Amino acid sequence: DAKTTQPPSMDCAEGRAANLPCNHSTISGNEYVYWYRQIHSQGPQYIIHGLKNNETNEMASLIITEDRKSSTLILPHATLRDTAVYYCIVRVEVRTFTFGKGTMLLVSP
Amino acid sequence: EPEVTQTPSHQVTQMGQEVILRCVPISNHLYFYWYRQILGQKVEFLVSFYNNEISEKSEIFDDQFSVERPDGSNFTLKIRSTKLEDSAMYFCARGWGPQGYEQYFGPGTRLTVT
Repeated sequence: DAKTTQPPSMDCAEGRAANLPCNHSTISGNEYVYWYRQIHSQGPQYIIHGLKNNETNEMASLIITEDRKSSTLILPHATLRDTAVYYCIVRVEVRTFTFGKGTMLLVSP
Repeated sequence: EPEVTQTPSHQVTQMGQEVILRCVPISNHLYFYWYRQILGQKVEFLVSFYNNEISEKSEIFDDQFSVERPDGSNFTLKIRSTKLEDSAMYFCARGWGPQGYEQYFGPGTRLTVT
């Protein structure tokens, strides 16, 4: 699986958009980008995934650059409950995930 | 979102004892996974289970570990002879989507080995 690089921490004001970057410069053509988050020792929570096109669901938007070497997860209106560790995972369509250290997002009032 | 539940929420056991952790899906699913997270460390993949067989396993999943779905519903992880280093949160996940690639995690079982 391609290696990902994420900032260790980010801050965001409540109500503002949170933009979490992820670099995956060695991604190959058949590897998907997945985003999960983990809120304080709870089980990881699936957010969104994509291959080439930008994706949006009720939780977030995923923007993948044209060369696919980086992506951004966007939480359009961050709330205090979005405080969590966010994991960007790149992998082929096998059923195992390798979680890195992720980005600790702190949403403050 | 459909979920899984896990029992117990916290298990304390003595070193060398066997433990069984349970994962209860809300409805029938074919894909199941076990992960663990040692306190303060990363989430680590243990094993995936598809259609009542192990499909993938990590180096962590050695002979001390086993998984089964004894009654076609509950999905269990057994550790035969626990060690201190087995103390961790254990998460069960079920697969979703056509190939089970999206994974939905349970709340976890905290295992403490003394």
